[in-house]
Amino acid sequence: TQLLEQSPQFLSIQEGENLTVYCNSSSVFSSLQWYRQEPGEGPVLLVTVVTGGEVKKLKRLTFQFGDARKDSSLHITAAQPGDTGLYLCAGAPLIYNFNKFYFGSGTKLNVKP
Amino acid sequence: DVKVTQSSRYLVKRTGEKVFLECVQDMDHENMFWYRQDPGLGLRLIYFSYDVKMKEKGDIPEGYSVSREKKERFSLILESASTNQTSMYLCASSWTSGRVLWEQYFGPGTRLTVT
Repeated sequence: TQLLEQSPQFLSIQEGENLTVYCNSSSVFSSLQWYRQEPGEGPVLLVTVVTGGEVKKLKRLTFQFGDARKDSSLHITAAQPGDTGLYLCAGAPLIYNFNKFYFGSGTKLNVKP
Repeated sequence: DVKVTQSSRYLVKRTGEKVFLECVQDMDHENMFWYRQDPGLGLRLIYFSYDVKMKEKGDIPEGYSVSREKKERFSLILESASTNQTSMYLCASSWTSGRVLWEQYFGPGTRLTVT
């Protein structure tokens, strides 16, 4: 079951541009995570959002959790080639098996110098 | 610092062999997970465990089994490896507080090739 719809699937931009990745669901999540994964490596946790409406910043990355805790976004300002990678959202919905995570399909970002 | 380690980064096995993938976490997490990741298919859950000796099937358990004898260690077993089990295998762990499942931490992955 694809509980988390992530978009866009692919993004190719020039260095210095801004971008936003979206993660949407019809279910309420107790928390939502964002990961970045580089080829041949495991996903690395960037942030966890818990409270509806919460905004967290990590240098040029801004993460937002929707008021109803059903969606989240990741905004990158002035993207750099080092931001290239696969971005994944994940979370554990409140009404399902609460020991299991669901993942978005991922956004493959390529930042060209 | 949080640490999840996997026994091998790369493995090459022959069809029919029994394969063991081991995962160790040092964070005292209750929950541990095994995923496989394939191009175009994303991350798919094979098995998870929410306590020692407890296990639950994920979305694609066929051809796999698991073992969790100690809290820090979660093993994935391929009873008789087949070529369609060639994949990237990822282990993760997380903790639970009340009914909230907190973030997962992943290991570096094992790239398994079955020939």
